[in-house]
Amino acid sequence: QKEVEQNSGPLSVPEGAIASLNCTYSDRGSQSFFWYRQYSGKSPELIMFIYSNGDKEDGRFTAQLNKASQYVSLLIRDSQPSDSATYLCASERDNYGQNFVFGPGTRLSVLP
Amino acid sequence: EAQVTQNPRYLITVTGKKLTVTCSQNMNHEYMSWYRQDPGLGLRQIYYSMNVEVTDKGDVPEGYKVSRKEKRNFPLILESPSPNQTSLYFCASSSGTTFANTGELFFGEGSRLTVL
Repeated sequence: QKEVEQNSGPLSVPEGAIASLNCTYSDRGSQSFFWYRQYSGKSPELIMFIYSNGDKEDGRFTAQLNKASQYVSLLIRDSQPSDSATYLCASERDNYGQNFVFGPGTRLSVLP
Repeated sequence: EAQVTQNPRYLITVTGKKLTVTCSQNMNHEYMSWYRQDPGLGLRQIYYSMNVEVTDKGDVPEGYKVSRKEKRNFPLILESPSPNQTSLYFCASSSGTTFANTGELFFGEGSRLTVL
């Protein structure tokens, strides 16, 4: 059973700070990793994906992957109150590239 | 507009009364999936479908059925709902991908089901 673990939070950061969200996975064969943002009462939406070791940056978001440590993280720079949401980490479940297992999510609260 | 549409959005029913939650996507996606979301447990996959007439169990398939007779539709059927199926349900779809592509899942707005 492939598992993805996240700290459920809540993680509280002040506005303008860097928010660091972490995720670990159990299956060394997992190839791709995804971060979804879910606002309260809404459906998840993809914000980042990563499949190579190292960092991937997109605007204020940076995803980091360390396959040796089976660790994925999401950094949000210059955090805004609008970033307050639950962040779901997901790994690719199998080699089809379409089937995913999700972590329980980390609730982020950015305080004005 | 590209979207995944679920119905109903909200439903209160009683134990044992069969119900169907419909899901339809207009993006010509091959892959579709159903998840349930419960506090502290995150999104758990119920069933998925790689293409028409191809379905498979996810992590929590007990008590659910699905069918995929057409590419755009993937209904979730609860033959005899029980209170432990009270949850928020999401349908999602994705285009065919390899691990090097985005594999982005497009989610419906969710269906909140309460079984009394």
